[in-house]
Amino acid sequence: GDSVTQMEGPVTLSEEAFLTINCTYTATGYPSLFWYVQYPGEGLQLLLKATKADDKGSNKGFEATYRKETTSFHLEKGSVQVSDSAVYFCALSSGAGSYQLTFGKGTKLSVIP
Amino acid sequence: NAGVTQTPKFQVLKTGQSMTLQCAQDMNHEYMSWYRQDPGMGLRLIHYSVGAGITDQGEVPNGYNVSRSTTEDFPLRLLSAAPSQTSVYFCASRSNYEQYFGPGTRLTVT
Repeated sequence: GDSVTQMEGPVTLSEEAFLTINCTYTATGYPSLFWYVQYPGEGLQLLLKATKADDKGSNKGFEATYRKETTSFHLEKGSVQVSDSAVYFCALSSGAGSYQLTFGKGTKLSVIP
Repeated sequence: NAGVTQTPKFQVLKTGQSMTLQCAQDMNHEYMSWYRQDPGMGLRLIHYSVGAGITDQGEVPNGYNVSRSTTEDFPLRLLSAAPSQTSVYFCASRSNYEQYFGPGTRLTVT
């Protein structure tokens, strides 16, 4: 079945540091890939997405590139801020017409001033 | 436009009690789903619905019932709560490739 593996946290960074959160996946067909963010006490929000190989999703300074050859979708940001402190989830939706999301376990990011 | 709303925000139950978690959306989305979130486990799909009158099981359906009588509402029922159901529950609705999540219900079963 489908699965998503993302790096274990928690991750603690100083403000303005470079962020990478690794995500790899196993899926049948041609999945769409997503990063969701969950701020403390809130539900999940879509951060970015990519629907086909070599697509780059980007939003709020975050980027991730859909790499079919390495089955990866790593999240990056060049300079994190304290306000980026949250839990980040990698997820996939497998195949055309599929509405179900499979999530990774989440990575908690804390950014300190 | 309220998006996805959930009630209650917090709930404490005793083992064996029943309750219904409410979920509503005003975006006219056909697809709705329920997830539970547990520490270190990510989100796991409980049940989902592709339209009024149609529901199906997800990854962890045991102990939960759902129904979908209208497009807007998708309640989740716990018939006999157990401590293993202590969790944060999220309802979501989806259009195309984006899911919209509610704010969650934090449930504790003692």
